[in-house]
Amino acid sequence: KAGVTQTPRYLIKTRGQQVTLSCSPISGHRSVSWYQQTPGQGLQFLFEYFSETQRNKGNFPGRFSGRQFSNSRSEMNVSTLELGDSALYLCASSLGTSGGITDTQYFGPGTRLTVL
Amino acid sequence: AQSVTQLDSQVPVFEEAPVELRCNYSSSVSVYLFWYVQYPNQGLQLLLKYTSAATLVKGINGFEAEFKKSETSFHLTKPSAHMSDAAEYFCAVNAGNMLTFGGGTRLMVKP
Repeated sequence: KAGVTQTPRYLIKTRGQQVTLSCSPISGHRSVSWYQQTPGQGLQFLFEYFSETQRNKGNFPGRFSGRQFSNSRSEMNVSTLELGDSALYLCASSLGTSGGITDTQYFGPGTRLTVL
Repeated sequence: AQSVTQLDSQVPVFEEAPVELRCNYSSSVSVYLFWYVQYPNQGLQLLLKYTSAATLVKGINGFEAEFKKSETSFHLTKPSAHMSDAAEYFCAVNAGNMLTFGGGTRLMVKP
């Protein structure tokens, strides 16, 4: 079974631009979560989508948004990019059917975003 | 609120020496704990998980972890380190499909 895929793998943007990242979950998984990884803040939860609905949200500004499609693929958008948005963005998928408590999340390779 | 603390940011070991990476958690409810490994320029790979079935959990690559509720710990161990184990290791707790991670421990394996 194919793993979680993320595109693009690398991205360079300038301040003020917006960016869209894509994530394709493992076949059969209905939950997709997004995380930001930086050297200073570590791994932080952004949001989780299940059946096209945002089910959980972390403590990030409204510039960070996401959506999920009927095939469970998900996109994450960041508007008005700031230098501090430079990070590795990781997507994880899970079955999501147990309410998420015992689910195992499987991670993609990440998208490395650099904001200049 | 749930939180995870990894006490050591770096752990150096010699090849074939035993490994212990420490993780302590804080939670007021039942916990489900995970260890992930991250190699350079890659995502996170699941090593093992605790979901209350057994306190001693065996994972991939010879790693195991023991859940100790009285000590609120979930330390990761391996009897003998290999050079290929050099990576960053993250302990995490699951709170409703939202993983809360510790700060990570970089395992350095010396020949």
